[in-house]
Amino acid sequence: EVQLLESGGGLVQPGGSLRLSCAASGFTLRSYAMSWVRQAPGKGLEWVSAISGSGGNTYYADSVKGRFTISRDNSKNTLYLQMNSLRAEDTALYYCATDREGAYDIWGQGTMVTVSS
Amino acid sequence: AIQLTQSPSSLSASVGDRVTITCRASQGISSALAWYQQKPGKAPKLLIYDASILESGVPSRFSGSGSGTDFTLTISSLQPEDFATYYCQQFNSYLFTFGPGTKVDIK
Repeated sequence: EVQLLESGGGLVQPGGSLRLSCAASGFTLRSYAMSWVRQAPGKGLEWVSAISGSGGNTYYADSVKGRFTISRDNSKNTLYLQMNSLRAEDTALYYCATDREGAYDIWGQGTMVTVSS
Repeated sequence: AIQLTQSPSSLSASVGDRVTITCRASQGISSALAWYQQKPGKAPKLLIYDASILESGVPSRFSGSGSGTDFTLTISSLQPEDFATYYCQQFNSYLFTFGPGTKVDIK
């Protein structure tokens, strides 16, 4: 079965760090560009970051630039999001998704990040 | 960054109704637009890509049209399982922004 499984979310204090992981199964991750999308409680979808299949190109929303780092380990079939200097407004459900060049066709179930003291 | 707006933000409709949702881009994006359906507690599901191509397995009552700045998602005959929130997303240039969503609920 083709699926993505996110992990690494949790409760963190403002200013803290977390690293999210997204493990692919049933397909080879290196074939895809990948993205992170988040959704604050009761709100819409927000594009966060993307990375090319090789990992050579990365892109970030202005709201996370300089604080978040996307990376991938194709040998482990895993995508990552390192989140530093976390703020209350980063509280959200974080999804990873495959980018099929013009569509996000495979989504994980999401991992919840809560930033609160 | 390219901004997307959607209208209406919400609508109430009955089973069997024809429903149309509009997505407008702040600048031309050719046909680089996708539509998603999201139900409460679930991840988004891809419906349409390249503005008008139906994703495999998606019922044919869903259709998309448009190019440039104006796009529409149409549900020809609303079914009970279609009550959800719908989002557009542009793929013309990073950042791949989403529209704010349109919630479709039962009248």
